[in-house]
Amino acid sequence: DAGITQSPRHKVTETGTPVTLRCHQTENHRYMYWYRQDPGHGLRLIHYSYGVKDTDKGEVSDGYSVSRSKTEDFLLTLESATSSQTSVYFCAISDAGLAETQYFGPGTRLLVL
Amino acid sequence: DQQVKQNSPSLSVQEGRISILNCDYTNSMFDYFLWYKKYPAEGPTFLISISSIKDKNEDGRFTVFLNKSAKHLSLHIVPSQPGDSAVYFCAASEASTEEKLTFGTGTRLTIIP
Repeated sequence: DAGITQSPRHKVTETGTPVTLRCHQTENHRYMYWYRQDPGHGLRLIHYSYGVKDTDKGEVSDGYSVSRSKTEDFLLTLESATSSQTSVYFCAISDAGLAETQYFGPGTRLLVL
Repeated sequence: DQQVKQNSPSLSVQEGRISILNCDYTNSMFDYFLWYKKYPAEGPTFLISISSIKDKNEDGRFTVFLNKSAKHLSLHIVPSQPGDSAVYFCAASEASTEEKLTFGTGTRLTIIP
C-alpha cells in the first residue's frame, strides 16, 4: 500500500469555524489531490497540486483552499465551514500525473453542524 | 452536469455468476477510462483501465469493454466472489488533463453466497 495518511480521520465541527485537513505521504510523489465523496455525486476533485507551492482548482473548489509547502504534505482548509461541506474527504497521490497511478488515502469523515 | 454516469446505484449477483457494471459518459474528449473499487471506511483502489484506442482490456477475472460510439463502458467480473462486494466507481480523463479524473456516482455490488 502507498504511504498515505490523513488526519484527522473523523471530525465534528460547527458552522462558521475553520477546519484544516492534512494529507501526508511518504512516497515522494509529485501530484497530490483532494476529493470529496457524497451520495449521488461520487468522487469530485476539489484541488490538486503538481508540485511544492503549485496548485490548481478542481471541479468543486469554492469554499476550499489548499497549501503545499513540502512535497509530503498537502493541506485542505475550509475557511468557514458550512453544512454543505459535510462529506468524506479523500486525499490521493500520483507520481506521474497518470490517472491509473492515483493512490488514495483512507479518508476523513467531516460533519459540520 | 454529470459527465460520467453510473445509472445503477446497486447490483446483486449470485456467487460464481457474472457481474456486469455499466458506465456512460458524455464528454467526447475522454480518452482514458478506469475502474476503482472501494470497501467501506477505505479509500478507492485502482482495479483496471482502458485506453480509447482499445475496446477491451482483461486482467484475471476482470474485463473492461469500451464502446466509443455509444460512449459506454462496462466492467465484467467472472466468476463473482464474495470479496468482490464493494462500491465500484468508473472514472475518465482527457489527454490534455490526464492528471485529473472525473468519477461516476458509483455502483454498490453485493455478491450473494
